[in-house]
Amino acid sequence: AQSVTQLDSQVPVFEEAPVELRCNYSSSVSVYLFWYVQYPNQGLQLLLKYLSGSTLVKGINGFEAEFNKSQTSFHLRKPSVHISDTAEYFCAVSPISGYSTLTFGKGTMLLVSP
Amino acid sequence: EAGVAQSPRYKIIEKRQSVAFWCNPISGHATLYWYQQILGQGPKLLIQFQNNGVVDDSQLPKDRFSAERLKGVDSTLKIQPAKLEDSAVYLCASSPGTGFGNTEAFFGQGTRLTVV
Repeated sequence: AQSVTQLDSQVPVFEEAPVELRCNYSSSVSVYLFWYVQYPNQGLQLLLKYLSGSTLVKGINGFEAEFNKSQTSFHLRKPSVHISDTAEYFCAVSPISGYSTLTFGKGTMLLVSP
Repeated sequence: EAGVAQSPRYKIIEKRQSVAFWCNPISGHATLYWYQQILGQGPKLLIQFQNNGVVDDSQLPKDRFSAERLKGVDSTLKIQPAKLEDSAVYLCASSPGTGFGNTEAFFGQGTRLTVV
């Protein structure tokens, strides 16, 4: 079984400031890692994913995440946020083999203010 | 390319009533998922279909929830009878593959259910 912990339920930040959203996971099998974004009243959209290779993954809208196997973490970062980045961000994992599905964390609400 | 379509967008019902949600996945996508997202929590998988067969329904409360995927395309999720704790957003997603490694899952906008 897998579990995902997002340590911050809410992260307030000023526009143009850097941000880091934290994610830790637990799994007895190898997993893929994902970050999804959910804008108000919309479905989930994939930001980025880690499958293998370089531990630094770049995604859409200037976001990036770094996989740290020893710390079982997959933190999301952006060097300079915009008002439009205000949304809920979900970290998720999926087993590598077989019929897989996503196990999500509880989400982190990113609140960007001017 | 059309996305995953869900209807209705919003539904308010009284407890003990029944309700049904509909999902039309992206054309050609073999895998379809239903997730339940309770306010303040991450989405939780209810059921996963591969074509018209059920792959995983271990977290589906089968005494009140049911789902089907006719002809491996559209899917309906039903709750009968509804409880207050069923208030949530019900998300449908589809994927062309069997897993998330080599393919991407696409999510619909969801149906927000309020049980009063």
